[in-house]
Amino acid sequence: DGGITQSPKYLFRKEGQNVTLSCEQNLNHDAMYWYRQDPGQGLRLIYYSQIVNDFQKGDIAEGYSVSREKKESFPLTVTSAQKNPTAFYLCASSSQGGTRTNNYGYTFGSGTRLTVV
Amino acid sequence: SQQGEEDPQALSIQEGENATMNCSYKTSINNLQWYRQNSGRGLVHLILIRSNEREKHSGRLRVTLDTSKKSSSLLITASRAADTASYFCATAAYSGAGSYQLTFGKGTKLSVIP
Repeated sequence: DGGITQSPKYLFRKEGQNVTLSCEQNLNHDAMYWYRQDPGQGLRLIYYSQIVNDFQKGDIAEGYSVSREKKESFPLTVTSAQKNPTAFYLCASSSQGGTRTNNYGYTFGSGTRLTVV
Repeated sequence: SQQGEEDPQALSIQEGENATMNCSYKTSINNLQWYRQNSGRGLVHLILIRSNEREKHSGRLRVTLDTSKKSSSLLITASRAADTASYFCATAAYSGAGSYQLTFGKGTKLSVIP
C-alpha cells in the first residue's frame, strides 16, 4: 500500500537534546512538507521541499533543520535551539503537476507526538 | 501565517442531521481544500475545489466556493457518529519562486451524537 510513514509515534526529548523525526513516502511524490500542530490550533509550516537536495523555510523554521537526500525521505531534526518543541508533528507529501499548478491534495502521515521531559 | 478561519469552532449535532462548516480567507487563492482529522491522527484529504469552480460534490459532502466573498462552506449530509472529527480548510496560493503553499485554518470540531 502506498502512503507516508512517520516514526516514532511518540518521542521524548530532554532539555538541550537534538532529536530527529523520520518521514518516508512510497507515493513517488515530488514535494514533501513538515507541519507543527499545537493543541486546538491549525497546522503551521516548518519546512518544505519540492525536489531532492532542495528545501525552503516555512513560517516557523527557527530551531528546526531538514534534509532531502532521497525523494522518499524528508527527516526533520528538532534542535536544542527550539525552546518550545512539545507539539504534534505532521509530515505530508503531494504530487506537483508543474511549477504553475497545484491542484492536488496532500497525503499526511499519522504524526509524531514530541514531548520535552 | 494562517489564512483560513473556520466557523464555528465547535459544532454538536444529532446523528442524521446535516452539518455545515464555513471558512473565510483573505487573499487570492488557486484552490481551496477540506481535510478531516480524527483525534491524534494525521489529516485526510476530503475534497478540493478550484478557484474557477463554485460547487463540488463527493458522496455526502458538498463544498461551495464564493471567491467574491472569499468564503467556502462544507456541508455533510445525513451525519453519522463516525463523522466526529475536526475539519480544516486549507487555501493554496502562489508563494513565489514557482511554488504554491497550503495554509490551514484552526479547524471546526464536529461532534455527532448517536
